Amino acid sequence: EVVLTQSPATLSLSPGERATLSCRASQSISIYLAWYQQKPGQAPRLLIYEASNRAAGIPARFSGSGSGTDFTLTISSLEPEDFAVYYCQQRNYWPLTFGQGTKVEIK
Amino acid sequence: QVQLVESGGGVVQPGGSLRLSCAASGFTISNFGMHWVRQAPGKGLEWVACIWYDGNNKYYADSVEGRFTIFRDNYKNSLYLEMDSLRAEDTAVYYCAKGRHGESIFDYWGQGTLVTVSS
Repeated sequence: EVVLTQSPATLSLSPGERATLSCRASQSISIYLAWYQQKPGQAPRLLIYEASNRAAGIPARFSGSGSGTDFTLTISSLEPEDFAVYYCQQRNYWPLTFGQGTKVEIK
Repeated sequence: QVQLVESGGGVVQPGGSLRLSCAASGFTISNFGMHWVRQAPGKGLEWVACIWYDGNNKYYADSVEGRFTIFRDNYKNSLYLEMDSLRAEDTAVYYCAKGRHGESIFDYWGQGTLVTVSS
């Protein structure tokens, strides 16, 4: 199965700062990577699909990039509501797999 | 609007069975791939199973293959997960999720239902 490794595990930043989250795949998955945000007690929310496409209603401060094995989620300027856990997910191969998550916390 | 509502979670003994339900509204499930994703307490997300829009193709995680069965009822517009031979490691919140445009990307999620496997 495709293993997705996210880094860092925790990112401590202040509101207004830029966040850069990484997701690395154990083999090439083309552009078939999505990003989700999850807040405590809530279901995940789709942010980005096909590596760089924002889902409906997602603010422009969220952007995704990458292809092959290396992907990045960038939050250009953190808002208070952005502090959460972020997961990447690949859909190029069965079984579908998720990364272990990156927690973005308030510094 | 799209809504997914899970039910059927609870406490079950190891080796027992449970059936989860997911009632969909705002769209027709037979037009989309539908998935179950779970999250053990304090852990990350794990994809569990998928039923493709044609209803014929089903996929499972290795960890549940042969024990769990995904199926749907088009008349009730509902998705199900039949779970047999449950183990402690199956303890998790189980989410129902809709696939986006026939792709295995989860654009809508239910609120989840908790399954606890314990004696």
